[in-house]
Amino acid sequence: EAQVTQNPRYLITVTGKKLTVTCSQNMNHEYMSWYRQDPGLGLRQIYYSMNVEVTDKGDVPEGYKVSRKEKRNFPLILESPSPNQTSLYFCASSLTGGGYEQYFGPGTRLTVT
Amino acid sequence: AQKVTQAQTEISVVEKEDVTLDCVYETRDTTYYLFWYKQPPSGELVFLIRRNSFDEQNEISGRYSWNFQKSTSSFNFTITASQVVDSAVYFCALSLVSGYSTLTFGKGTMLLVSP
Repeated sequence: EAQVTQNPRYLITVTGKKLTVTCSQNMNHEYMSWYRQDPGLGLRQIYYSMNVEVTDKGDVPEGYKVSRKEKRNFPLILESPSPNQTSLYFCASSLTGGGYEQYFGPGTRLTVT
Repeated sequence: AQKVTQAQTEISVVEKEDVTLDCVYETRDTTYYLFWYKQPPSGELVFLIRRNSFDEQNEISGRYSWNFQKSTSSFNFTITASQVVDSAVYFCALSLVSGYSTLTFGKGTMLLVSP
């Protein structure tokens, strides 16, 4: 089954404790991206990757890092999480950039206390 | 920079009513794509439709239809004979073709369909 998977689905952590949210897709997509969803703000892009060699900031990259060492994986790293990073996070992938529809993972609900 | 506005924060209808969700976008590019996504209470994001800026034909898929009008920069979504299962948050989004394609979302419209 073609899908985007994320782990963990739920995470409660404390301020400053480094964490990684994994994202993997099995559709051989070039483009991958991370979004956060907050009430009243919709979805905002954190980082995206056009391919294994190209990664760039989205609208809200502060406090996040990403890595694209393999085509299928695109982990989101929070080196020192803070309470304002409490949010619902989505990973997505698409065939390429440039207007192809993005397929989303199930979401990761992160709470930072 | 591009922008997507969904002015309706929440809409409540009774089952079998028709409902239209509005989407207005802003971009200086002439080539772009517009999307609608559905987010049911379970939380996942489901792709519904993609439309490119050169194709203004309306589209119908079952009870769903979309009206794209470049003249008013709108891409509205109509659900005919709504059902309780249509209850969800619906997002309109815009992606440019040129350069790096960030997907810009509207803030979403929550649709509540009651029996």
